[in-house]
Amino acid sequence: AQSVTQLDSQVPVFEEAPVELRCNYSSSVSVYLFWYVQYPNQGLQLLLKYLSGSTLVESINGFEAEFNKSQTSFHLRKPSVHISDTAEYFCAAVPGYSSASKIIFGSGTRLSIRP
Amino acid sequence: ETGVTQSPTHLIKTRGQQVTLRCSSQSGHNTVSWYQQALGQGPQFIFQYYREEENGRGNFPPRFSGLQFPNYSSELNVNALELDDSALYLCASSPGHENYGYTFGSGTRLTVV
Repeated sequence: AQSVTQLDSQVPVFEEAPVELRCNYSSSVSVYLFWYVQYPNQGLQLLLKYLSGSTLVESINGFEAEFNKSQTSFHLRKPSVHISDTAEYFCAAVPGYSSASKIIFGSGTRLSIRP
Repeated sequence: ETGVTQSPTHLIKTRGQQVTLRCSSQSGHNTVSWYQQALGQGPQFIFQYYREEENGRGNFPPRFSGLQFPNYSSELNVNALELDDSALYLCASSPGHENYGYTFGSGTRLTVV
């Protein structure tokens, strides 16, 4: 069975500091991996995704994540955070073989930025 | 900007009642999924519809049911509401079968008292 583990429920950082949000997945088959962001009182927005190819994927607002198959990880990083990055971040996985399978979400990491 | 609209945004129901939540997807989005997000948790898959037929279901009891209509709208129905059904319900749609092109709505916050 597939599962996604986000190791930190909360990550407080100072503005302009680097941040890493950790994510590990468990799957016996190939998977697609995603990071979603949820701002207060809003739905989920896709931040970035890994489907195949280059293991380093980037978003338009400076986040990046690297797929590491040997460590079954897909950690999210940003070299310098802004107050506007304050949100809940969800790592998610979908088995790559199935056309109608569910998205499996982690429990989320709340990123809080201190000025 | 999201192309998926959910209504209502907030709802309060009494235990034992029934509720219908609605979702309007983008034109051409033949796949719709519903998720339940309890407070402080990640979303949990309820079920998925493709061209008006259910084609995937999570670990939710039969009192959770759905419909998808030809006009790209869909419904989530929950009968015999329980206190634990209090959550944010999210609708997500996609043009096809693939699960990496989903657009999520802002959700309906259901409170059962």
